[in-house]
Amino acid sequence: SQTIHQWPATLVQPVGSPLSLECTVEGTSNPNLYWYRQAAGRGLQLLFYSVGIGQISSEVPQNLSASRPQDRQFILSSKKLLLSDSGFYLCAWSRGVSNRETQYFGPGTRLLVL
Amino acid sequence: AQKITQTQPGMFVQEKEAVTLDCTYDTSDQSYGLFWYKQPSSGEMIFLIYQGSYDEQNATEGRYSLNFQKARKSANLVISASQLGDSAMYFCAMRGLGYGGSQGNLIFGKGTKLSVKP
Repeated sequence: SQTIHQWPATLVQPVGSPLSLECTVEGTSNPNLYWYRQAAGRGLQLLFYSVGIGQISSEVPQNLSASRPQDRQFILSSKKLLLSDSGFYLCAWSRGVSNRETQYFGPGTRLLVL
Repeated sequence: AQKITQTQPGMFVQEKEAVTLDCTYDTSDQSYGLFWYKQPSSGEMIFLIYQGSYDEQNATEGRYSLNFQKARKSANLVISASQLGDSAMYFCAMRGLGYGGSQGNLIFGKGTKLSVKP
């Protein structure tokens, strides 16, 4: 069966510090991978998606970036965090891009920027 | 543009009773998928049920069923025999053919907070 991991689970960072969140998927190959952000009390906003190694598409311009160095690894980064970067970050995977394909989510990372 | 609307910010239901969570959607795509997710206080998004736009029958998964009315563009989630563990946020989401180059991205509603009373 497939599992998706995210770490760290919780992170408190000062404004201006760098960020690196990691997501890995087990039990499948060549998954589509996604990074979402959820602000408090709101729905999910897609930040990045990737259909393969080194292939990253950005949905929302911001000071965040994403990379996919390995097939089942997806990393969310920032060089300098802003207060507005606080939120709940969820990684997800799916088998393909068809609208029948379910996206499965990881446990998430809570980020607080102070 | 694609849009998901969940008009109930919060709902209460008595344990063991059924509850319906509303979801309406807007899309110009002929082919699309509708999804419901549960988000407990731990934060993880748990997939519950899927309905395809061309599926003739309403989807069911255990105590979850989807009341799909295509002409009205609604996809309400019905939870039967509510349990205390059903207390959570519930999100309706849609995935179309993709727009602006996006690979069929999920569009989420703002969610409904369900509270099950003992």
